[in-house]
Amino acid sequence: DAMVIQNPRYQVTQFGKPVTLSCSQTLNHNVMYWYQQKSSQAPKLLFHYYDKDFNNEADTPDNFQSRRPNTSFCFLDIRSPGLGDAAMYLCATSNAGGHTEAFFGQGTRLTVV
Amino acid sequence: AQSVTQLGSHVSVSEGALVLLRCNYSSSVPPYLFWYVQYPNQGLQLLLKYTTGATLVKGINGFEAEFKKSETSFHLTKPSAHMSDAAEYFCAVSDTSYGKLTFGQGTILTVHP
Repeated sequence: DAMVIQNPRYQVTQFGKPVTLSCSQTLNHNVMYWYQQKSSQAPKLLFHYYDKDFNNEADTPDNFQSRRPNTSFCFLDIRSPGLGDAAMYLCATSNAGGHTEAFFGQGTRLTVV
Repeated sequence: AQSVTQLGSHVSVSEGALVLLRCNYSSSVPPYLFWYVQYPNQGLQLLLKYTTGATLVKGINGFEAEFKKSETSFHLTKPSAHMSDAAEYFCAVSDTSYGKLTFGQGTILTVHP
C-alpha cells in the first residue's frame, strides 16, 4: 500500500546530541511537512517542502533543520536537542492546493534524556 | 490568519449514544476543513473533509460533518458510538496554497459500555 513511513518509531537521544528523524513516502506527493506534537497538544507545523523549495514557519526554532534529497525522502535534524524538544514528530505529505488531504506517518516519539 | 476552536477538550458518551464534537473556524477565505482521528502513539487518520460542494460530508466509520458558513462551524457527528471510536479528534483548517494545516486543540472521546 502507498503510504508515509517514519523511522524510527521511538528515539531516545541525549541532551545536546544531534538527532535525525526520517520520513519516506510512496505517494509521489510534491509537498512534505513536519509537525511537532507535544504531550496533550495539537500538532504544530514546523516547516514544509514544496518540491525542493523549503519553507520555514516563522516561529520554528533555528535548532530544527530539514533536508529533502529527493521526492520520496525527507529528514528532520535537531542540532542540539533540549528537554523541551521531547515530542511526537509527525511527517505528512499532500499534493499542493489545500483541497487535498494530508497523509500522515505513524510518527516518531522523541525522548531527550 | 486561520484558526480553529474545538469546544470541549473531553467528551464522554455511552456506547450506542450520539457523538457530537464541536468545531468552529475562523478564515478570511472560503475554508478547507478536515477532521482527523488519532489513536494513542499513532499518526493522524483522515475522517472526512469539506472543500466545496455539498455541505453535509460523510466520512469513514459512520462519521459525518456539516459545514455551516453562517455559524462558522464544522461539527462532527456519529449517530451511535462504538467502543472503538474512543480516540482523540482534531478539527483542522487548511491554507489554499500548500495544504498547511492549523489544528484545533483536540477533543478526547471516551466511550463507556
